[in-house]
Amino acid sequence: EDKVVQSPLSLVVHEGDTVTLNCSYEVTNFRSLLWYKQEKKAPTFLFMLTSSGIEKKSGRLSSILDKKELFSILNITATQTGDSAVYLCAVKGYGGSQGNLIFGKGTKLSVKP
Amino acid sequence: EPEVTQTPSHQVTQMGQEVILRCVPISNHLYFYWYRQILGQKVEFLVSFYNNEISEKSEIFDDQFSVERPDGSNFTLKIRSTKLEDSAMYFCASSDNRRNTGELFFGEGSRLTVL
Repeated sequence: EDKVVQSPLSLVVHEGDTVTLNCSYEVTNFRSLLWYKQEKKAPTFLFMLTSSGIEKKSGRLSSILDKKELFSILNITATQTGDSAVYLCAVKGYGGSQGNLIFGKGTKLSVKP
Repeated sequence: EPEVTQTPSHQVTQMGQEVILRCVPISNHLYFYWYRQILGQKVEFLVSFYNNEISEKSEIFDDQFSVERPDGSNFTLKIRSTKLEDSAMYFCASSDNRRNTGELFFGEGSRLTVL
């Protein structure tokens, strides 16, 4: 059965800290891995990763994929209170529709001032 | 910025009743999806829709559920004979697969409470 496992499930840090969120997966015919941020309701897209070793970066956020070890990490440097959210990892396999994403349970990040 | 809109934001219904959740996807998107998230659990795929037909559905999406695009803008999810375990947040999403970014744009969700 395809699955996505995220760790830790929750994390509390102080502003300015750097955090690393983990996502491991087992999926048939891997196609891509996506990271989403869920603040209150709607998940919002952060990154899509398809190739190993190529870092995607957006401001203080960055992510990388290891297709050999079947995991990805999401790094957030110099955290701010606005980074507090649930971070979702999702994986897409080949076959089926583009939107059939398998989500992990998410990591709840709380950034304290 | 274009966004996916969903109505109602919250609906309370009695067990056994039918509900219709509505979504207006981003106007130039061609692929539409419904997901659900039971409180405290994972976001789960329900169904994808393209070219006026279902392109894929999960095991959750049984005969109790149906989707429809009644006009050029709305995309609806109908749940017949609701059960307590249908209580969840239902997210609509759309995408423009031609750009191949993999990005799905999610709506704010419709919270369904079945009593």
